[in-house]
Amino acid sequence: QKEVEQDPGPLSVPEGAIVSLNCTYSNSAFQYFMWYRQYSRKGPELLMYTYSSGNKEDGRFTAQVDKSSKYISLFIRDSQPSDSATYLCAMSDGRGSTLGRLYFGRGTQLTVWP
Amino acid sequence: GAGVSQSPRYKVAKRGQDVALRCDPISGHVSLFWYQQALGQGPEFLTYFQNEAQLDKSGLPSDRFFAERPEGSVSTLKIQRTQQEDSAVYLCASSLGGADEQFFGPGTRLTVL
Repeated sequence: QKEVEQDPGPLSVPEGAIVSLNCTYSNSAFQYFMWYRQYSRKGPELLMYTYSSGNKEDGRFTAQVDKSSKYISLFIRDSQPSDSATYLCAMSDGRGSTLGRLYFGRGTQLTVWP
Repeated sequence: GAGVSQSPRYKVAKRGQDVALRCDPISGHVSLFWYQQALGQGPEFLTYFQNEAQLDKSGLPSDRFFAERPEGSVSTLKIQRTQQEDSAVYLCASSLGGADEQFFGPGTRLTVL
């Protein structure tokens, strides 16, 4: 069993829809939670960065972390065709020499059609 | 440039050949990471440098994989005697410090025939 589980989709929604993406994890030591967006043949780019439990909002994006359930979510409001990409969750325990080592989910492929 | 650059962008190797993949991190970034991303999967950690010191190489899949960062800037990932299962995109990321945002390069797509 992988440490981070993510439904690969694919997910296809019409423009303007609310998108919900999520990941579960097994390692209770994870404290830092991230969402990355990856366009085809590009490297991942950071969308949201959250420490511990709670919500964080940035424009059309909201990240939620529930450490008690080991569950994280990303919501995209008013989705746009330009949001079409693969969304990767990532997390870290932020300890020791591997302070920045990230554990990724396999990614969810999202298509927003006009 | 302002971002992380990697070269070559694409590499085709015959099984058994050695390859070297280069990463130029963002200037001033202390931390450098290598990840391997198989088709349809998320990136998997390979190794981590803080300046020239390789602090974690626990993700390297075999002793055929070797990484270095001799002057604390440019890094090279070398794969000896490539195998078909080595086919993947190799991503490099850098950050100011170990716990800061990691900025990823575009990756090198390695295909082993």
